[in-house]
Amino acid sequence: DAGVTQSPTHLIKTRGQQVTLRCSPKSGHDTVSWYQQALGQGPQFIFQYYEEEERQRGNFPDRFSGHQFPNYSSELNVNALLLGDSALYLCASSFRGWGPESDIQYFGAGTRLSVL
Amino acid sequence: DQQVKQNSPSLSVQEGRISILNCDYTNSMFDYFLWYKKYPAEGPTFLISISSIKDKNEDGRFTVFLNKSAKHLSLHIVPSQPGDSAVYFCAASDTGTASKLTFGTGTRLQVTL
Repeated sequence: DAGVTQSPTHLIKTRGQQVTLRCSPKSGHDTVSWYQQALGQGPQFIFQYYEEEERQRGNFPDRFSGHQFPNYSSELNVNALLLGDSALYLCASSFRGWGPESDIQYFGAGTRLSVL
Repeated sequence: DQQVKQNSPSLSVQEGRISILNCDYTNSMFDYFLWYKKYPAEGPTFLISISSIKDKNEDGRFTVFLNKSAKHLSLHIVPSQPGDSAVYFCAASDTGTASKLTFGTGTRLQVTL
């Protein structure tokens, strides 16, 4: 059973460019959340997608946008990259429902983005 | 504004002894709390959770305690094993579920032989 997979694993971009990160959720999961983890910090919630719509959003500017596809996979897009966007971007999947396992987030290994 | 704080960046414990990891929070709207463990080059892995209606939850060697009046939670690992060496993150949510998490900065646990 494949867990959460993210691609690419590493990425180098320059300031002002745009980037797209991809995530495939764990089998059986229908909800995808994205987090940004700066060096020495804990992950910070960006947004969550369910039924192809953004449902919740953290304190991130509109330069950060996303998409969820009918197969539940998701993309994170960041426009006009800044040096401060350099971080590990984590995708987490979960399923909505009832019971002890619902909403528990399973994380991928992340995409390391470096902005030069 | 750090709403979830883990004030100990690192902790070293001998194998077989108890490990106690601490976490404080400031947002009184948080009603669901979790602990995640992270190994290098891997994503965080869910360990244990607790709802604000409880003050304790156990799962094998792991127990989480919640003190709502002090806005404090702790993770106890008994007995500690070398494979427990990892970074532990405390996380909280104000949605009543395990979604939209606010994480602490992590505590690196080293279990020595």
